[in-house]
Amino acid sequence: KNEVEQSPQNLTAQEGEFITINCSYSVGISALHWLQQHPGGGIVSLFMLSSGKKKHGRLIATINIQEKHSSLHITASHPRDSAVYICAVLLGIRTSGSRLTFGEGTQLTVNP
Amino acid sequence: GAVVSQHPSWVICKSGTSVKIECRSLDFQATTMFWYRQFPKQSLMLMATSNEGSKATYEQGVEKDKFLINHASLTLSTLTVTSAHPEDSSFYICSASLAEHNEQFFGPGTRLTVL
Repeated sequence: KNEVEQSPQNLTAQEGEFITINCSYSVGISALHWLQQHPGGGIVSLFMLSSGKKKHGRLIATINIQEKHSSLHITASHPRDSAVYICAVLLGIRTSGSRLTFGEGTQLTVNP
Repeated sequence: GAVVSQHPSWVICKSGTSVKIECRSLDFQATTMFWYRQFPKQSLMLMATSNEGSKATYEQGVEKDKFLINHASLTLSTLTVTSAHPEDSSFYICSASLAEHNEQFFGPGTRLTVL
């Protein structure tokens, strides 16, 4: 069993739909990243969370430390949101340079 | 946000040659840099962790003599793939961590093709 599990693995939506991607982890963490990887390969860090909720534009990320669960929401989805979304957690003690453990990623396709 | 660059963005080389990939933090000083590789349809795999001024820490199964990492300054780390073989063809990504901060900022990646 992976320490970080994402669902769904693949998601297809119509433009304008509200999208939710889920991430569950099995160990104690100090922080959680949501990353976006476009077909060209480059990775963008969307959020880093250790508690609560963050919002940036149409993106919202939440984390529940007690339930070891995080969600990434996209409102009013657009074809340009099509990408792989990756959940990554920082395990253990909060120290500089801690290694990330990655989920398998969720391939999102938004059709016009 | 903090910006990390990589150079080159892609490279094609002949088998047996060495290839150097640079990772730079452009607007911040990075205590730690990480090197990842990613095969098609797979997640990132950590190769090594690099701290400025000290030797890199390699993950199990990663040959340190084949993947040479140098982190000579707080803004630059290099990965040299020595005596490259076709099986080294992959997407190599670096990330940098701010001093006293856990967030990692990722470079755009370098696609290496070894013929």
